[in-house]
Amino acid sequence: GENVEQHPSTLSVQEGDSAVIKCTYSDSASNYFPWYKQELGKGPQLIIDIRSNVGEKKDQRIAVTLNKTAKHFSLHITETQPEDSAVYFCAASLTNFGNEKLTFGTGTRLTIIP
Amino acid sequence: GAGVSQSPSNKVTEKGKDVELRCDPISGHTALYWYRQRLGQGLEFLIYFQGNSAPDKSGLPSDRFSAERTGESVSTLTIQRTQQEDSAVYLCASSPLGTGNNEQFFGPGTRLTVL
Repeated sequence: GENVEQHPSTLSVQEGDSAVIKCTYSDSASNYFPWYKQELGKGPQLIIDIRSNVGEKKDQRIAVTLNKTAKHFSLHITETQPEDSAVYFCAASLTNFGNEKLTFGTGTRLTIIP
Repeated sequence: GAGVSQSPSNKVTEKGKDVELRCDPISGHTALYWYRQRLGQGLEFLIYFQGNSAPDKSGLPSDRFSAERTGESVSTLTIQRTQQEDSAVYLCASSPLGTGNNEQFFGPGTRLTVL
């Protein structure tokens, strides 16, 4: 089955600086890679996703890059703000308009230092 | 509109007791997933529903765990004879099926503590 590794487990950055979180996956058939943000006491919320036919996707301060050959993908947050502090999870799945169960990484606790 | 809701939000039980966790998905979402999140860990897949059938139960950790879904609505995850290692947050997610929209919408979870 799929295995997703995520690094680092904790990350502290100064407000305004950039943060990068990296993930690798094992199953070359995986074709959908979402990133979720989880705040304390809440369920994960999708912040951005990318499919395997795309190398990069941006949404305002957030971007995700995918390297299919190396089987890794990364989340980039620029101009970080205090409200970006949360736990971030990467995930991978094989989408086939049916069972699209996600395999998650172990999470990165991001702390933005004011 | 209303998101995914789960109840109870917290459940404390004694070892050996049975518990039922409830999930109300977003109306119209055909797919429903249960995940388990142990403290400080990522989410582990438990079971997937397509409508009220469960074609993938591969993540259920033991036969003490079962789940059912009524129509394309409410789902219940049941844990029998709970053990301390069952302590975790149980998360439910729903998703539209067949639209190519993969986003899974998560509920707030049920925090289960087994004493």
